[in-house]
Amino acid sequence: SAVISQKPSRDICQRGTSLTIQCQVDSQVTMMFWYRQQPGQSLTLIATANQGSEATYESGFVIDKFPISRPNLTFSTLTVSNLSPEDSSIYLCSVEAAGLNTEAFFGQGTRLTVV
Amino acid sequence: QQQVKQSPQSLIVQKGGISIINCAYENTAFDYFPWYQQFPGKGPALLIAIRPDVSEKKEGRFTISFNKSAKQFSLHIMDSQPGDSATYFCAAIPVYSGGYQKVTFGTGTKLQVIP
Repeated sequence: SAVISQKPSRDICQRGTSLTIQCQVDSQVTMMFWYRQQPGQSLTLIATANQGSEATYESGFVIDKFPISRPNLTFSTLTVSNLSPEDSSIYLCSVEAAGLNTEAFFGQGTRLTVV
Repeated sequence: QQQVKQSPQSLIVQKGGISIINCAYENTAFDYFPWYQQFPGKGPALLIAIRPDVSEKKEGRFTISFNKSAKQFSLHIMDSQPGDSATYFCAAIPVYSGGYQKVTFGTGTKLQVIP
């Protein structure tokens, strides 16, 4: 299993500003995943972050809006830039136990409210 | 084709009753079907999972029923308890081909178990 620490747990930000979310894992992992969970909605994958290379973004998500850093095998950050009220969501960091029975482990999430 | 449809969106069950959540998929490349449980302010956590080569898997009060021909699977929570009140997500993962797999999540079911 993996223990994921994510911070901040919540924040209220002004529109036009940015928020950087940190994700720390207690073990080295190759891939880290960032999800968005809009209120009452499912989890949508934003991007996959591989250490030492640029993140891979899903359709509808772009690097300028969601820059990601992955400086080492236990840490990643997601920045949500130029905030608008539509960015109000829960953002979740995740890692996977790769193999035949894939299990995703999640941080507790960051609840972002944009005012 | 990558969607997983989940129903109902919300569910209220009396304590001691049976909670049933249903999911359906189209993509026959899906090969592993986990269920995640999410409490408020927490990230999702794996609850139980099944492969399509079995029709049922039971762990304590939680049972997955799987109908491969219909491409449907469901979660049954027997003797539901107030502590089961959470949001439940079904998920589907493609056939393992090495490395990391993309997890497709259902839309979620908010379960409330009332005393």
